[in-house]
Amino acid sequence: DAKTTQPTSMDCAEGRAANLPCNHSTISGNEYVYWYRQIHSQGPQYIIHGLKNNETNEMASLIITEDRKSSTLILPHATLRDTAVYYCIVRSTANTGNQFYFGTGTSLTVIP
Amino acid sequence: DSGVTQTPKHLITATGQRVTLRCSPRSGDLSVYWYQQSLDQGLQFLIQYYNGEERAKGNILERFSAQQFPDLHSELNLSSLELGDSALYFCASSVRDTNTEAFFGQGTRLTVV
Repeated sequence: DAKTTQPTSMDCAEGRAANLPCNHSTISGNEYVYWYRQIHSQGPQYIIHGLKNNETNEMASLIITEDRKSSTLILPHATLRDTAVYYCIVRSTANTGNQFYFGTGTSLTVIP
Repeated sequence: DSGVTQTPKHLITATGQRVTLRCSPRSGDLSVYWYQQSLDQGLQFLIQYYNGEERAKGNILERFSAQQFPDLHSELNLSSLELGDSALYFCASSVRDTNTEAFFGQGTRLTVV
């Protein structure tokens, strides 16, 4: 699976959009981009995933560049409850098992 | 609530002992995964099962073993426990074994004293 690079930490003002970047320059054609978050030792929470088209759900939007070498997770109106560690994961669709390899993630702090 | 149930929530045991952690996947999910999260290591993939069969293995110690039963629940057995095994152990489940999101339980916090 391709490796990802994320900033160690970010701050965001409450009510503003939080834009979390992820670089995955070695991504291959059959690899999806997944985002999870973990709030203070709770179980990781699935947010969104995509292959090459931009995706949106009730939690967030995922913007993937045309060359697929980077992506951005957007939380449109950050709240204090969005303070968490956010993980960007690239996973192959090949039939090799569905394990997710978590890196160090981005620690997002939403500031009142 | 992800629908994945892990028991017990907390477990305190002595070095050298053996414990069993249990995971009930979401209804309809066939695949189960186990992860370990210790303070200095982040989330480490241990092992995955799909419909009762081992599908992938990560950094799982020989002292650890797991299985998935016909009713699809899974157990992670940890033996000859050491202080360094103290960690959060998470279980996740998904419908298929590839190309799908996985949902995590709230974990079992194991403390070895």
